[in-house]
Amino acid sequence: DTEVTQTPKHLVMGMTNKKSLKCEQHMGHRAMYWYKQKAKKPPELMFVYSYEKLSINESVPSRFSPECPNSSLLNLHLHALQPEDSALYLCASSQEKLNTEAFFGQGTRLTVV
Amino acid sequence: GIQVEQSPPDLILQEGANSTLRCNFSDSVNNLQWFHQNPWGQLINLFYIPSGTKQNGRLSATTVATERYSLLYISSSQTTDSGVYFCAVIYNTDKLIFGTGTRLQVFP
Repeated sequence: DTEVTQTPKHLVMGMTNKKSLKCEQHMGHRAMYWYKQKAKKPPELMFVYSYEKLSINESVPSRFSPECPNSSLLNLHLHALQPEDSALYLCASSQEKLNTEAFFGQGTRLTVV
Repeated sequence: GIQVEQSPPDLILQEGANSTLRCNFSDSVNNLQWFHQNPWGQLINLFYIPSGTKQNGRLSATTVATERYSLLYISSSQTTDSGVYFCAVIYNTDKLIFGTGTRLQVFP
């Protein structure tokens, strides 16, 4: 099983809302990632967690707050977003950091109104 | 930082045609993956290929890490092959950096 599950699939939120994106994997992977993808662009790395600790933050604004409660679960908390934050948010996992194959979820398509 | 360029940016084929997609990268990498992104946004793993050649059905890939490029071959293309193809390199251990992508359209 190489499945990474993301919920919700679609999300519309206002600029004053607080929402969370969820990502789950049961492959025993110890590294998990958040990517952001704008239309017609490649995915861009946001955060990397390794063994439940944040190891990379690609200078992401503080209105995006990641959390890794356990080795199977990764959340992205959203607060006071801007319309330009509308994008496809992709979660990925790999066995251990990125010297092993990464697998992606189907993404959450976020619209900020 | 590393630059990962793919060519061609767009490719239009008739069903049954063959094609070659190229991925060039500007620095040494630890590893490389090829993905197909379908119209719904799902990134599907095609190959995990740090070096050498691999084949999976109608698709095959070759990576020459010393010369900093990888090739993806699609033979006898089908309409279901349409979508965007990304290579992604594993750089500086922790980062999977995506290439610019090749948008493929296959018409019947």
